Amino acid sequence: AQSVTQPDIHITVSEGASLELRCNYSYGATPYLFWYVQSPGQGLQLLLKYFSGDTLVQGIKGFEAEFKRSQSSFNLRKPSVHWSDAAEYFCAVGGNNNDMRFGAGTRLTVKP
Amino acid sequence: DGGITQSPKYLFRKEGQNVTLSCEQNLNHDAMYWYRQDPGQGLRLIYYSQIVNDFQKGDIAEGYSVSREKKESFPLTVTSAQKNPTAFYLCASSRNWYEQYFGPGTRLTVT
Repeated sequence: AQSVTQPDIHITVSEGASLELRCNYSYGATPYLFWYVQSPGQGLQLLLKYFSGDTLVQGIKGFEAEFKRSQSSFNLRKPSVHWSDAAEYFCAVGGNNNDMRFGAGTRLTVKP
Repeated sequence: DGGITQSPKYLFRKEGQNVTLSCEQNLNHDAMYWYRQDPGQGLRLIYYSQIVNDFQKGDIAEGYSVSREKKESFPLTVTSAQKNPTAFYLCASSRNWYEQYFGPGTRLTVT
């Protein structure tokens, strides 16, 4: 069965600084990969997804992620963080119908 | 305005009582899901339903029950058999399993 690891529980960055959130997955075949964002007390919003093709994926809110098969990674990046980006971020992997696995999440704090 | 609604936002119950969480969607999605979220554990799948009158257990179905009598509705009952019911519960729906849309969640506290 697939699994996801987000090594960083909590990250703090200054507003305007760049951001990279790490995600490593385990899956035997080509995975479907996702990043979601969750504001406190809210549901999850899909930021971006990778199914196939170009390994650099663009998402909403200025986020991008790069699929690296050799490293089993799908890291999320943003060149310049805004205070409104403070939230919890979840990486997820899927490969079979209705079998999507989520990481434990990374909480992002943005310093003014 | 299409979306998923979950009610109530906060729910309090005494131990030993069953409680039902509501989830409604007007996105015309066939599939619906219930997840449980605990701090530091991400989301875990409780039940899912791909069509009306059919549903499947997820990873942590024990102590929970669901029904899917209408396409728009997928209520979750947390029974007294659930050992640790206090959690944040998220409902989702999708046209394709891999693009799930989430509701705002219900925070259940059992004392």
